[in-house]
Amino acid sequence: LAKTTQPISMDSYEGQEVNITCSHNNIATNDYITWYQQFPSQGPRFIIQGYKTKVTNEVASLFIPADRKSSTLSLPRVSLSDTAVYYCLVGPKGSARQLTFGSGTQLTVLP
Amino acid sequence: EPEVTQTPSHQVTQMGQEVILRCVPISNHLYFYWYRQILGQKVEFLVSFYNNEISEKSEIFDDQFSVERPDGSNFTLKIRSTKLEDSAMYFCASPSDQSSYNEQFFGPGTRLTVL
Repeated sequence: LAKTTQPISMDSYEGQEVNITCSHNNIATNDYITWYQQFPSQGPRFIIQGYKTKVTNEVASLFIPADRKSSTLSLPRVSLSDTAVYYCLVGPKGSARQLTFGSGTQLTVLP
Repeated sequence: EPEVTQTPSHQVTQMGQEVILRCVPISNHLYFYWYRQILGQKVEFLVSFYNNEISEKSEIFDDQFSVERPDGSNFTLKIRSTKLEDSAMYFCASPSDQSSYNEQFFGPGTRLTVL
């Protein structure tokens, strides 16, 4: 499994755009990049998944450069309720293997 | 959004007692997973269950743990003789569909406290 590296923590203010970058230098050809969000005492929640270029949904955007060795989760105009831990995961989409979570990035949104 | 449910939400037990944690995963799925998260630590994989059998298990999932699907809908995790270090949040999860195992729906979790 490709190892991922992301910042331990980030602070932001309400209304700002937040970009969380994840490094995955050893990503394999058939690996996808998936991001999860976790609030305290809740299970992780899928946010977005992509393979290359840009993916956007109602919650976030995911930017993946051509070499795919990193990815950036972009949260537009964050609010206090976006305070959570964000995890970057890398792995094949069609494999039923378990998810492997790292330590994630603790995002704190300040008023 | 599909929903995974878990009961109880909080379980307090004495060390050495047996506990059974219950999950109702997304119906019509063949794969189910159990994860745990000790307070302040990473989410860790425990076991995956496919077609009524254990598919894969981690080194955490020792002989004290077992999983069952007793009635075709519920999915249970049993800890035979709890230890203090079993105190954690336990989550079950189902993939969204069989083409995207990376997208898993997690239940709200059971907080297990071993005294």
